[in-house]
Amino acid sequence: DIKMTQSPSSMYAFLGERVTITCKASQDINSYLNWFQQKPGKSPKTLIYRANRLVDGVPSRFSGSGSGQDYSLTISSLEYEDMGIYYCLQYDEFPYTFGGGTKLEIK
Amino acid sequence: EVQLVESGGGLVKPGGSLKISCAASGFAFSSYDMSWVRQTPEKRLEWVAYINSGGGSTYFPDTVKGRFTISRDNAKNILYLQMSSLKSEDTAMYYCVRHDYGGFAYWGQGTLVTVSA
Repeated sequence: DIKMTQSPSSMYAFLGERVTITCKASQDINSYLNWFQQKPGKSPKTLIYRANRLVDGVPSRFSGSGSGQDYSLTISSLEYEDMGIYYCLQYDEFPYTFGGGTKLEIK
Repeated sequence: EVQLVESGGGLVKPGGSLKISCAASGFAFSSYDMSWVRQTPEKRLEWVAYINSGGGSTYFPDTVKGRFTISRDNAKNILYLQMSSLKSEDTAMYYCVRHDYGGFAYWGQGTLVTVSA
C-alpha cells in the first residue's frame, strides 16, 4: 500500500499568512492527488484534484503543486474561514490512501 | 445540485451486520464511479469501497475485504454498503463519495455506524 505522510499534523498561523501543507507518498503517484478541507461538524470538501487543479468555486488563494512523491497545498493569504483539517489522498492505485491530516488553527 | 444523502447507520453488536444506503440526485448517477469512505472518532479517513459506474468492478482494502460489499441500483440512483462481521474498529462516520477527474469530487453528509456490545 502507498503510505501518505502529511505534515505538519497541526499548526497555528496568523490571518494573512502564507500557509503550506505537504504530503509525501511512499512511491511516485503520478500527480493523482486530491486535497480536502474539513470544517468542524461538516463532511470533507474537495479543493484540488490531479495535484494542482482547483475545483470550481474554490477560492483562488488555494493552490496545489508537486509531482512524483512530493506534493503541497498552499493558502496564499490565510482567512478565518480556512480554519479546519486538511487531508491529502492518493488515487493512483488501490487501495486509495489518505494522509493523516493537518489541523489548521488561527493564532 | 449534486446531493448525496446517506442513511441506515446505527448501533450494531460486534459480529453483526448492517446495510447503509446513499441516495444520489442532481447528476447522472449511472455515469459516475462511487466510493465509500469512513472517518474514525480520531478523525482518520479511510477509503473502504469502490464501485465503477456500471457496477461490474469493485475494490476494497484488506481491512474490510470479505466482510463488506458495495453495490448500486442505477435505476433508483442508490449506492449501498453491506457490512458484516462488524468489529469495534469499524465504528466510524461513513461517507458516500462521487468520483470525478479520477479522484473524489463530492461527499455526502455521512451516516454514523457504532459497533458496540
